Amino acid sequence: DTEVTQTPKHLVMGMTNKKSLKCEQHMGHRAMYWYKQKAKKPPELMFVYSYEKLSINESVPSRFSPECPNSSLLNLHLHALQPEDSALYLCASSQAPPSGGVTDTQYFGPGTRLTVL
Amino acid sequence: EDQVTQSPEALRLQEGESSSLNCSYTVSGLRGLFWYRQDPGKGPEFLFTLYSAGEEKEKERLKATLTKKESFLHITAPKPEDSATYLCAVQAGRDDKIIFGKGTRLHILP
Repeated sequence: DTEVTQTPKHLVMGMTNKKSLKCEQHMGHRAMYWYKQKAKKPPELMFVYSYEKLSINESVPSRFSPECPNSSLLNLHLHALQPEDSALYLCASSQAPPSGGVTDTQYFGPGTRLTVL
Repeated sequence: EDQVTQSPEALRLQEGESSSLNCSYTVSGLRGLFWYRQDPGKGPEFLFTLYSAGEEKEKERLKATLTKKESFLHITAPKPEDSATYLCAVQAGRDDKIIFGKGTRLHILP
């Protein structure tokens, strides 16, 4: 089973709202990722969690706040977003985090389509 | 600077017309190359991981190959359901960063 689940599938929020995106995997993977994808563009890495610790933050604005409560769950808390933040937000996981020359395949969830009004 | 370039940007084929998609890369210290398929509004679906030049992998009508500078995704006798965007990604460098290409949008006409 290589399934990563994400909720909600769609989210519409105003610029003053606070909302959260959720991601879950039960493959025993120890690395989890958040990506942002605009239409007709490749995914852009936002955050990487390695063994439940934040290991990479790609200079993402503080209105995006990731959280990894345990090895299976990953959240992305959203606050005071801008219309340009509207995008498909993808979660991915891999068995091991990228390090020390080890390659590991990332498995993606279906994404959350976010619209900021 | 590490780069991944996919070509063509878009490709239209008749059903049954075989072709190849290209992913060329200029990176230091390739760790692995990944191919994904992505349908509109959905997450990328993993297809293949290739680790070293000369490696080949197959799945149904798809075959991925890797050289020292590029990878090809060969599609044999495609069907309309093969229509999707195909993404190539490379893991490389001291920090093992993953770099995505911009994708090839493939459209198979019945």
